[in-house]
Amino acid sequence: DTGVSQDPRHKITKRGQNVTFRCDPISEHNRLYWYRQTLGQGPEFLTYFQNEAQLEKSRLLSDRFSAERPKGSFSTLEIQRTEQGDSAMYLCASSFRKLGSGAVDGYTFGSGTRLTVV
Amino acid sequence: KQEVTQIPAALSVPEGENLVLNCSFTDSAIYNLQWFRQDPGKGLTSLLLIQSSQREQTSGRLNASLDKSSGRSTLYIAASQPGDSATYLCAVRRSSGAGSYQLTFGKGTKLSVIP
Repeated sequence: DTGVSQDPRHKITKRGQNVTFRCDPISEHNRLYWYRQTLGQGPEFLTYFQNEAQLEKSRLLSDRFSAERPKGSFSTLEIQRTEQGDSAMYLCASSFRKLGSGAVDGYTFGSGTRLTVV
Repeated sequence: KQEVTQIPAALSVPEGENLVLNCSFTDSAIYNLQWFRQDPGKGLTSLLLIQSSQREQTSGRLNASLDKSSGRSTLYIAASQPGDSATYLCAVRRSSGAGSYQLTFGKGTKLSVIP
């Protein structure tokens, strides 16, 4: 396991359809994050999991968005009734922190899923 | 609310030149700062991570400094190469409280190194 994997790399969908993205973090990482990036902007935080618990959600995550991380391993991000404004790069990242270990808590990002809503 | 600004937005330099990218942030209560590289249409590659207690980190031709009190970081690239052409993003993580696991990103500096 050499990094964070995201699938698919690209997704084109018609407005109103549902889409689901998958993220496989680095296996020993207990934290997982989803970000969204639009053209010319930096990534914006969507949500965060520690193990299987979803601990933070951004206001950007409307009720059409749902994220899960069953068993604290891979995660899925679903967008229901897609809109053209949902077109963006969806990035997944993971990190690890063990209390008392002094481990450096940097983020590792995946290659992203590019969503185009037509 | 934390805001991160990167200057310049774009930079074009001849190959071999040394260069500095700037990042400023409004809230000095940060846990760490991370510099990333992003190639067109790709994900982010971590370059350097500086903890709030550190002043700088080095990796090869890259050196990042952090002045937490003034809310500034710089990324120094020595002897630039065409392969360094990419967008460089700065991100800070808040030290505590709600949102402390989030990274706040700048919009990036798009670097072009001309052969």
